Amino acid sequence: DAGITQSPRHKVTETGTPVTLRCHQTENHRYMYWYRQDPGHGLRLIHYSYGVKDTDKGEVSDGYSVSRSKTEDFLLTLESATSSQTSVYFCAISESRSSGGTDTQYFGPGTRLTVL
Amino acid sequence: GESVGLHLPTLSVQEGDNSIINCAYSNSASDYFIWYKQESGKGPQFIIDIRSNMDKRQGQRVTVLLNKTVKHLSLQIAATQPGDSAVYFCAEKVRGGSEKLVFGKGMKLTVNP
Repeated sequence: DAGITQSPRHKVTETGTPVTLRCHQTENHRYMYWYRQDPGHGLRLIHYSYGVKDTDKGEVSDGYSVSRSKTEDFLLTLESATSSQTSVYFCAISESRSSGGTDTQYFGPGTRLTVL
Repeated sequence: GESVGLHLPTLSVQEGDNSIINCAYSNSASDYFIWYKQESGKGPQFIIDIRSNMDKRQGQRVTVLLNKTVKHLSLQIAATQPGDSAVYFCAEKVRGGSEKLVFGKGMKLTVNP
């Protein structure tokens, strides 16, 4: 999985509780992404990061926040989880072609989150 | 795990046949394209990519064809094996844009022994 780990791999939580998912990479890639995947929707971008402390919103960012204090870690936080946030969450990394990479995004193994 | 294949178009082939999976893209400014394979319960896995200055690129048992005139991308898998059963989807990157990719919804490939 291109040196990407996600934790936890599975989580069940209750509505209204805070949840933090972690993505860790060993590739030293500049760009990191959080997606959610739901039946009928494919992969949808939540937030992404283009460097330490540099983040931006994706198409489905409401209810989510992110932080990147180190190159290798990208955290996704659900401040108050809702049932509509039940999903599978994937982290991805990439390095731009201009920086010697290929633009390809490589994905982690995913976190299955269930909000009851 | 299984939910990734729900609501997707399905292609069923016999083991040993060749498979062709198609993808239409909408942005003529896209200059980089990727095919991913996603098995049940796993993350998407890179298969092959192609840049817009090429029409064809080959890998091991896979070929990607790019037709920029009609904005069409295809993935050909030769001698399909049961291990090729998965969801396949394409992604495109817009020239000069951000590092974000636009993903297609995918097609589920089922290989019958």
